[in-house]
Order: sequence, then C-alpha cells, then structure tokens
Amino acid sequence: NAGVTQTPKFQVLKTGQSMTLQCAQDMNHNSMYWYRQDPGMGLRLIYYSASEGTTDKGEVPNGYNVSRLNKREFSLRLESAAPSQTSVYFCASRTRLISYEQYFGPGTRLTVT
Amino acid sequence: GQQLNQSPQSMFIQEGEDVSMNCTSSSIFNTWLWYKQDPGEGPVLLIALYKAGELTSNGRLTAQFGITRKDSFLNISASIPSDVGIYFCAGRQMNRDDKIIFGKGTRLHILP
Repeated sequence: NAGVTQTPKFQVLKTGQSMTLQCAQDMNHNSMYWYRQDPGMGLRLIYYSASEGTTDKGEVPNGYNVSRLNKREFSLRLESAAPSQTSVYFCASRTRLISYEQYFGPGTRLTVT
Repeated sequence: GQQLNQSPQSMFIQEGEDVSMNCTSSSIFNTWLWYKQDPGEGPVLLIALYKAGELTSNGRLTAQFGITRKDSFLNISASIPSDVGIYFCAGRQMNRDDKIIFGKGTRLHILP
C-alpha cells in the first residue's frame, strides 16, 4: 500500500516546454487534488476532482489542465511552462465516506528557467 | 485568492513553552483541519473538526472550531524539538463539498 505517489520528484523545464505531472493513489479514494506550494503562500488549490470523470477549478487554475484518467490517477499538465510556475506541486486524495482528511504525496519540485 | 488568514506567520519559542496559533475566515466553514508539514514532505493531518464549538485533542495538541464557524485555534503544550515545522489550517466552506483550501501556514522554530 503506497498511498499517494507522484512522479517525477524533480523536474527542470525551459520556458514554453510542456510536461505532465503524474499522481496515483491506491486507497480507493474518490476525491483527488492538485496544490502548489510557494514560499510564504501556503498551499493553493489548482484543480480538484470529486470523482472519476469530473474536475473543477480551484484558486489558481490558469496555465494548467488536469485529467482524471480513472479512479486511481489524476494528472496535471503544463502546456507552456512559465517561470511563475516554478513551485512544489502536491497531489492529495480523500475518501468522501468518513472525513475530510486528505493524504498527500511527497511532492514534485518543478523549476522553470 | 485565499480566504483563510492564519497567524502568526512564524514563531520562535523556547523548548517547553506552550504555542497558540489561529485561523480566521470571512466565510463560514463546515470543517476545519490542522496539518503539519516537515521539510521535504507533504502535510500530515493532526486534527479534524466538524462542529462549531468542538474541542479536540491529539496528545499535546488541542484544536477548537470557533462558535462563529469563521475561526479555529490550535494549541501545542510543552513544545519539544520535533514540533518544529509548518502548521497549516485548512477548511471546507458550506456547499463546497470537495473544495478544501489552506492558510499560508505558521512556521514554528524552537530555540536551543
């Protein structure tokens, strides 16, 4: 039982390049989330998915797209990376049955030059 | 933008001291959550609160759901070195079932 896994752990992109951050959970959770963390800004919600096939915008969705491929996987895509997207990205998942506890992955550290 | 105001931003305390931090919102929240993040890792849930006025403890940690539903408090008693880290409040607004947003965090430092 790995919990929430994220790949890659580190990534350096040039401005304008694209990439997809992968997230998977093996806890049979319904809801999944993508956050970005910047110094002094806490965790800001980018997108979330309440269930397979649905996605909703969070606080800072511009410049990102997401795909809820199936119940396990929720990917985040940067179509044309910008330096302002340099950040640490966290994926989280939650079961909707009992509580609002989110389980977080280890994070992806992205630098855009 | 973010709707949760967390304070203080950082704290420097001596080992053994008690710690208090709080989170406020202009909107009513149905759920308040407190997380801790260690360096290089994702946040881990400490306490979850679901009812106005609720007071919940987890070891030396105690959190309260404010009766106005617009604030929450976290207290740590008799701090120890492993309490160092960033503490985040998070909340879920009424009628926003799956959307959970975070405060900016309180960074706790313990002086030797």
